[in-house]
Amino acid sequence: ELKVEQNPLFLSMQEGKNYTIYCNYSTTSDRLYWYRQDPGKSLESLFVLLSNGAVKQEGRLMASLDTKARLSTLHITAAVHDLSATYFCAVGDSNYQLIWGAGTKLIIKP
Amino acid sequence: NAGVMQNPRHLVRRRGQEARLRCSPMKGHSHVYWYRQLPEEGLKFMVYLQKENIIDESGMPKERFSAEFPKEGPSILRIQQVVRGDSAAYFCASSRGLAGYQETQYFGPGTRLLVL
Repeated sequence: ELKVEQNPLFLSMQEGKNYTIYCNYSTTSDRLYWYRQDPGKSLESLFVLLSNGAVKQEGRLMASLDTKARLSTLHITAAVHDLSATYFCAVGDSNYQLIWGAGTKLIIKP
Repeated sequence: NAGVMQNPRHLVRRRGQEARLRCSPMKGHSHVYWYRQLPEEGLKFMVYLQKENIIDESGMPKERFSAEFPKEGPSILRIQQVVRGDSAAYFCASSRGLAGYQETQYFGPGTRLLVL
């Protein structure tokens, strides 16, 4: 059974700092997604990672995938307040279901 | 191009009543997924549908819950005889093709169900 673990679950940081969110998963998968959710809102797709070594960047966010280690990272560079949100990773199972991490609640203080 | 639409956005029901949640997928999308999200948790898969077919309902409780995606009209998630534990946010997502082939799922705004 595929399990997905994110850490940390809560992160409070200052603007301008760098930090990384980790997503570990337990069995082989060919796709991993990162989503952002603002309080009371829906989920916004950030990145889709499909192969070992894949790296994608959008603004201050960069996601990478290591399929051998079954690990994805979401790196935040020089954080700004607007990035405060909850970030989820979701991993595709052998069929079509997405198995979700519990989410990382990120608070960025001015 | 309108995104995934869900209504109502908020729904309050008393225990024992029925809740009907609607989802209209993005234009050109024929695959619909329903998820449930409890507070401070990730999403849990409930059911996957294509037009007129339930493909996978393994995440949906056997009792009181049902889903459909008719040929015409939105997908409906129906919860009969609601209980307090049904209170959650219910999200619908759609994709153009089968999500197992690396299609991105696009999410609606969700329906927040509160059972009193």
